[in-house]
Amino acid sequence: AQSVTQLGSHVSVSEGALVLLRCNYSSSVPPYLFWYVQYPNQGLQLLLKYTSAATLVKGINGFEAEFKKSETSFHLTKPSAHMSDAAEYFCAVTGSSGDKLTFGTGTRLAVRP
Amino acid sequence: GAGVSQTPSNKVTEKGKYVELRCDPISGHTALYWYRQSLGQGPEFLIYFQGTGAADDSGLPNDRFFAVRPEGSVSTLKIQRTERGDSAVYLCASSLSGTGVTEQFFGPGTRLTVL
Repeated sequence: AQSVTQLGSHVSVSEGALVLLRCNYSSSVPPYLFWYVQYPNQGLQLLLKYTSAATLVKGINGFEAEFKKSETSFHLTKPSAHMSDAAEYFCAVTGSSGDKLTFGTGTRLAVRP
Repeated sequence: GAGVSQTPSNKVTEKGKYVELRCDPISGHTALYWYRQSLGQGPEFLIYFQGTGAADDSGLPNDRFFAVRPEGSVSTLKIQRTERGDSAVYLCASSLSGTGVTEQFFGPGTRLTVL
């Protein structure tokens, strides 16, 4: 079974500041890990995914995440926040059989001017 | 091309009624997933189809919930004798195949409100 834990249901940063959204996973098999973003009244959009090819994964909109097996973490970062980054972010995991995604509870990111 | 579409976008019903929620996946996607997202929570898996068959229905909460995909494309999620606790956003996703590396593309969801 797999699970993910997102620390911090709400994160607020100033425009231009570093964004760090935390995700820790638990998996009995090598995991595939994902970050999705959900803008108000829109569907989930994939930001990036880890599929064991490289531990540092770059995604859309300047986001990246690093898979750290020793820490069972897959934190999402962006060097400089933009107002348009304000949204809810979900970390998700699936096993190698790749059917269902198991999501975390989400982190709502607010960006202050 | 067109993404995943879901109809209706909003559904209000009364306790005890029957509802159907429809999902049109991306053309050519063989895998289709249903998730449910309650307020303040992440999406929770309900059921996964590979083609016409349900490959994993372990997330369906009880026998009031049922889903079909008769021709391997459009899917319908059916809820009988709705309860107030069924109120949530129901999300549909599709992917080219059911393997983990394949991205799941999500629809905008159907917001179900049970009064």
